[in-house]
Amino acid sequence: DVKVTQSSRYLVKRTGEKVFLECVQDMDHENMFWYRQDPGLGLRLIYFSYDVKMKEKGDIPEGYSVSREKKERFSLILESASTNQTSMYLCASTFGLGDSSGNTIYFGEGSWLTVV
Amino acid sequence: AQKITQTQPGMFVQEKEAVTLDCTYDTSDQSYGLFWYKQPSSGEMIFLIYQGSYDEQNATEGRYSLNFQKARKSANLVISASQLGDSAMYFCAMFLWGYGGSQGNLIFGKGTKLSVKP
Repeated sequence: DVKVTQSSRYLVKRTGEKVFLECVQDMDHENMFWYRQDPGLGLRLIYFSYDVKMKEKGDIPEGYSVSREKKERFSLILESASTNQTSMYLCASTFGLGDSSGNTIYFGEGSWLTVV
Repeated sequence: AQKITQTQPGMFVQEKEAVTLDCTYDTSDQSYGLFWYKQPSSGEMIFLIYQGSYDEQNATEGRYSLNFQKARKSANLVISASQLGDSAMYFCAMFLWGYGGSQGNLIFGKGTKLSVKP
């Protein structure tokens, strides 16, 4: 079974803290993504990566950074957490370029972050 | 700019009836894939159906079919014979295969909340 594992399901952090959210996949996927999901706003892309050490900004990168030192791991970093970053964070991965037929995306279970 | 638009924030359907959830997309890329995902209240993302941009036939998966109209850039999801368990959020998404500077981008719409009435 393909697995995308997010390190923490529920976190509570203080304003100004540095926060690390880890995502690991076991299917050798090239592409990995970080989203935040808020009611009425759907899934908004923060950052994505199509290869090791490669990263691209999504729609809402401000206040976040990412790291992809190994193919299987994609980390989301909140340099200085703020209350408006309270949200559910979702990691996803998928295969890279090539035959697009039958492709699918695999999701982690989500990480609920509360910043107080 | 790449974009997915779902214009129906919420919809109701009677059990056993068919329902269409709208999705339009915007991209200048030629190679892309379109997905529909279901998210029940438990939060997990459940894959429903996939359509590649070069696929000439509309995709079908059981009670789900994707009405793909490439010229109009629409990828509507049709659910036939709705069931109570279909009540959930539904997301349309587009993956860009990377020709034209959008390598590996995967974007979602805001979602449609479907409620099935008994």
